[in-house]
Amino acid sequence: GAGVSQSPSNKVTEKGKDVELRCDPISGHTALYWYRQSLGQGLEFLIYFQGNSAPDKSGLPSDRFSAERTGGSVSTLTIQRTQQEDSAVYLCASSLGTQNQFFGPGTRLTVL
Amino acid sequence: SQQGEEDPQALSIQEGENATMNCSYKTSINNLQWYRQNSGRGLVHLILIRSNEREKHSGRLRVTLDTSKKSSSLLITASRAADTASYFCATDDRSSNTGKLIFGQGTTLQVKP
Repeated sequence: GAGVSQSPSNKVTEKGKDVELRCDPISGHTALYWYRQSLGQGLEFLIYFQGNSAPDKSGLPSDRFSAERTGGSVSTLTIQRTQQEDSAVYLCASSLGTQNQFFGPGTRLTVL
Repeated sequence: SQQGEEDPQALSIQEGENATMNCSYKTSINNLQWYRQNSGRGLVHLILIRSNEREKHSGRLRVTLDTSKKSSSLLITASRAADTASYFCATDDRSSNTGKLIFGQGTTLQVKP
């Protein structure tokens, strides 16, 4: 079956521009997570969606970051007015319940 | 913020040797998981050990968990060149019911043929 997919796989943008990153979770998975991985580092939690509950946004680093999940499926992570320190790989994961998260291939964002 | 430390940060061994990686964490957990990452992209889930378990095996992988020391180890036996990757431990946080994972910094393993 299809796994978690993310698009684009790579994104190069100029400082100050807005970007949107997309995640398609595994069908039927109610939980969706966004993580960020800076070069040579572990993953940093950003945001969590579970069904129709209010998302846990506690990991978002600034108000330039936002995410939504439409219809309990596809999620979009938006970064406004990108900065060079936003350069990282953004990983999405989905799960049924709160265990066994399945990760997508990630989007590598480069801010020039 | 990261949960804790992984040790060593980098490990280079010959094919056929065993590789041991260690992980420490800070909070009370329900479970601890190990993931593998190739080329800095998607993570592959390797094994999950629950807080009431002390040791778990899966193929050539052996994971131990010591909740009194808040530490875990991953042993890969009879390593192969294809095991070359970065390995991360990840814990949940028992005080949170979201299931969000807190990752260590990772160990980069190189297995030389």
